[in-house]
Amino acid sequence: KQEVTQIPAALSVPEGENLVLNCSFTDSAIYNLQWFRQDPGKGLTSLLLIQSSQREQTSGRLNASLDKSSGRSTLYIAASQPGDSATYLCAVQGGSEKLVFGKGTKLTVNP
Amino acid sequence: DARVTQTPRHKVTEMGQEVTMRCQPILGHNTVFWYRQTMMQGLELLAYFRNRAPLDDSGMPKDRFSAEMPDATLATLKIQPSEPRDSAVYFCATTGYYNEQFFGPGTRLTVL
Repeated sequence: KQEVTQIPAALSVPEGENLVLNCSFTDSAIYNLQWFRQDPGKGLTSLLLIQSSQREQTSGRLNASLDKSSGRSTLYIAASQPGDSATYLCAVQGGSEKLVFGKGTKLTVNP
Repeated sequence: DARVTQTPRHKVTEMGQEVTMRCQPILGHNTVFWYRQTMMQGLELLAYFRNRAPLDDSGMPKDRFSAEMPDATLATLKIQPSEPRDSAVYFCATTGYYNEQFFGPGTRLTVL
């Protein structure tokens, strides 16, 4: 059974800092990995999707990497801003289209 | 404006009442997922459909939950009878190209 773990559960940083969020999964037979952002009381917003054949994806200040063999992904946020404060969720998809989610990392960026 | 819509956004009901949640998928997206999110359990998959046919509903308590897609523009999740432990946020998501999932804003359900 696939399990997804995100460390740390919460992170507080000063504005402008570069930071890394971690995601690990137990079964390396994945189809893709997706990073989401969730603001309080809101739905999930897709940030980046990495196919299993890819090593990384970039969007603006965000860069996600995937090391399928070791069961790890990282989300790098450059020059963090208070508007980046949210919960970041990692999810992996196996062959059945189902997503298995981690519990998320709650990020606070302090002005 | 292509997005998943869900109604109602908030629902407060009493134990034993029927609850119906609705989802309108993004046009052209043929796979629809229902998730439940709680503080304790995080996000859990309840059921999903492809081309309106149920593919997996193993995450749903079958005795009280039911999910359907009457047509390509509407998915419903019903709870009858509702219980306080059903209080959660229920999300609908649909799958686009490359299997990227797009989520609706959710229905926040409170069962008293």
